[in-house]
Amino acid sequence: AQRVTQPEKLLSVFKGAPVELKCNYSYSGSPELFWYVQYSRQRLQLLLRHISRESIKGFTADLNKGETSFHLKKPFAQEEDSAMYYCALCPLYNQGGKLIFGQGTELSVKP
Amino acid sequence: DVKVTQSSRYLVKRTGEKVFLECVQDMDHENMFWYRQDPGLGLRLIYFSYDVKMKEKGDIPEGYSVSREKKERFSLILESASTNQTSMYLCASTLSGTGDPGNTGELFFGEGSRLTVL
Repeated sequence: AQRVTQPEKLLSVFKGAPVELKCNYSYSGSPELFWYVQYSRQRLQLLLRHISRESIKGFTADLNKGETSFHLKKPFAQEEDSAMYYCALCPLYNQGGKLIFGQGTELSVKP
Repeated sequence: DVKVTQSSRYLVKRTGEKVFLECVQDMDHENMFWYRQDPGLGLRLIYFSYDVKMKEKGDIPEGYSVSREKKERFSLILESASTNQTSMYLCASTLSGTGDPGNTGELFFGEGSRLTVL
């Protein structure tokens, strides 16, 4: 079965500390993976996608096919990073946009 | 910028009432989706549509129906609201791309409709 698991409901760190939000997936093929973010009182939006291999707002994520993981990392957290983060999977050659989301991790960055 | 607009931000309804949630997108996207967002459960797909008058069930379609009469509009209908349908409902849209490696899969979301059923 296709599944995305985010084991942490809440992650609390201090400003300047490193952050890692965990994401594991279950899928037999080669999926496309995404991180979406929802800041307080804002709509859910794309943060980054693995296929782009980009760093957005200091965040990076590496796809590890051996461990079926796509953890989101940032070396130095900022207070404005506090938000809800969702990992999502899009099976290749599936009809566009039908993403499977994880349960979400709330990141709280304290001053 | 892509704009996905959900007509109602907050609704309070009574058990048994019929509820309509409207969603409109202005970027000529073929694909539209309704998700339900609950704490600890993430986003769960209710229904989706890849074309006008076309609909497919998602993971939790029970108790819901949808309508897509025009390309830009996708409506979610609760025929008889129940308390367990109290939730945040998110509409999203994206370009089509069945089997297209160029389809990045990015979804554009509305601001959400928070429904409370008493």
